[in-house]
Amino acid sequence: AQSVAQPEDQVNVAEGNPLTVKCTYSVSGNPYLFWYVQYPNRGLQFLLKYITGDNLVKGSYGFEAEFNKSQTSFHLKKPSALVSDSALYFCAVRDSGGGATNKLIFGTGTLLAVQP
Amino acid sequence: AAGVIQSPRHLIKEKRETATLKCYPIPRHDTVYWYQQGPGQDPQFLISFYEKMQSDKGSIPDRFSAQQFSDYHSELNMSSLELGDSALYFCASSLRQGAYNSPLHFGNGTRLTVT
Repeated sequence: AQSVAQPEDQVNVAEGNPLTVKCTYSVSGNPYLFWYVQYPNRGLQFLLKYITGDNLVKGSYGFEAEFNKSQTSFHLKKPSALVSDSALYFCAVRDSGGGATNKLIFGTGTLLAVQP
Repeated sequence: AAGVIQSPRHLIKEKRETATLKCYPIPRHDTVYWYQQGPGQDPQFLISFYEKMQSDKGSIPDRFSAQQFSDYHSELNMSSLELGDSALYFCASSLRQGAYNSPLHFGNGTRLTVT
């Protein structure tokens, strides 16, 4: 079965510093990986995806993610954090287990707190 | 750009009552998903529909049912509500074509509180 793991419940970073939110995956077959951000009482917003191709994927709001097949990781990164980046971040994998709609399976989420 | 619309935004019900949540997908999206997110939890997949047919089923209780209509909107019907049903319910939509490639687009959710 497909799954993702987010080992950190919370990441704290000072504004202007680089940030990394970690995600590792376990899939059978090719991985289809996504990052979403959730602000309080809001829906999940799509940030970026990895399907194939370059290991460094660029997404919305200056975020990028690095796909590493040997380490089965898909860490979310940003060179310079903003206070407004403070939110809950979810890594997700596309389920290729046979369901016709290939639902997303989410990690447990990482709360990013950016201090001014 | 049009997004996924969910109604109502907030809903308060008593135990054993029923509730109906509505979802209007992005125009031309043919697939709808329902997720439940408990407090401090990750979203859990409930059920999905493609072209008005149920296409996948997750951890949806038997007390819940859902359907997708001819205009592609979907409704989640919840009966015999329990306190543990209090959660944020998200609907998402996508295009099945290029399924792995097409991200899910989420609505802002319906917050259900059962008292």
